[in-house]
Amino acid sequence: DAGVIQSPRHEVTEMGQEVTLRCKPISGHNSLFWYRQTMMRGLELLIYFNNNVPIDDSGMPEDRFSAKMPNASFSTLKIQPSEPRDSAVYFCASRRDSGGYTFGSGTRLTVV
Amino acid sequence: GDSVTQMEGPVTLSEEAFLTINCTYTATGYPSLFWYVQYPGEGLQLLLKATKADDKGSNKGFEATYRKETTSFHLEKGSVQVSDSAVYFCALSPYNAGNMLTFGGGTRLMVKP
Repeated sequence: DAGVIQSPRHEVTEMGQEVTLRCKPISGHNSLFWYRQTMMRGLELLIYFNNNVPIDDSGMPEDRFSAKMPNASFSTLKIQPSEPRDSAVYFCASRRDSGGYTFGSGTRLTVV
Repeated sequence: GDSVTQMEGPVTLSEEAFLTINCTYTATGYPSLFWYVQYPGEGLQLLLKATKADDKGSNKGFEATYRKETTSFHLEKGSVQVSDSAVYFCALSPYNAGNMLTFGGGTRLMVKP
């Protein structure tokens, strides 16, 4: 089991550019979560999916952020246009019903 | 809404010292409680959990007891090692919303040889 796989590990982009973060959950896990981690705000839940359907996106900061899960093995988090305050580490996690969360290694995003 | 409060770090200890990281929570009903650990450059890993009052979770020498009367879930270890240096997160999952985890702010532990 390769765990939750996120790509890229690091992303540096200029303000105004589109950024796409990717996540492959563990096979058989039916829930997927996107978190953002910053020094100021800690870990924040952005959105989570259950069986590929978005259940709660109340943590998505604004319309510049969007997330999709077209199938059970892939999800994207897109920021368009990106801003310096979006700089953070973005984590994807997945779980099976009644199981524990498994986190990916994260994507460190820097917007300059 | 639900919330988790942890002691602020960093916590700096010498090797073999006793560790306590305080965690208290606010939630309705009977949440499940968790401790996660994050090593540098990695994602969070589940350390231990407890799903009902008076349960004790334990793993790798770490322990935490679910205390409903004090709404606490303090993390303890009798003798820390340099390899325990990491950030520790307390979290809860509401009873009626089992998918969602609410995290505390994290506590950085630094263990010196």
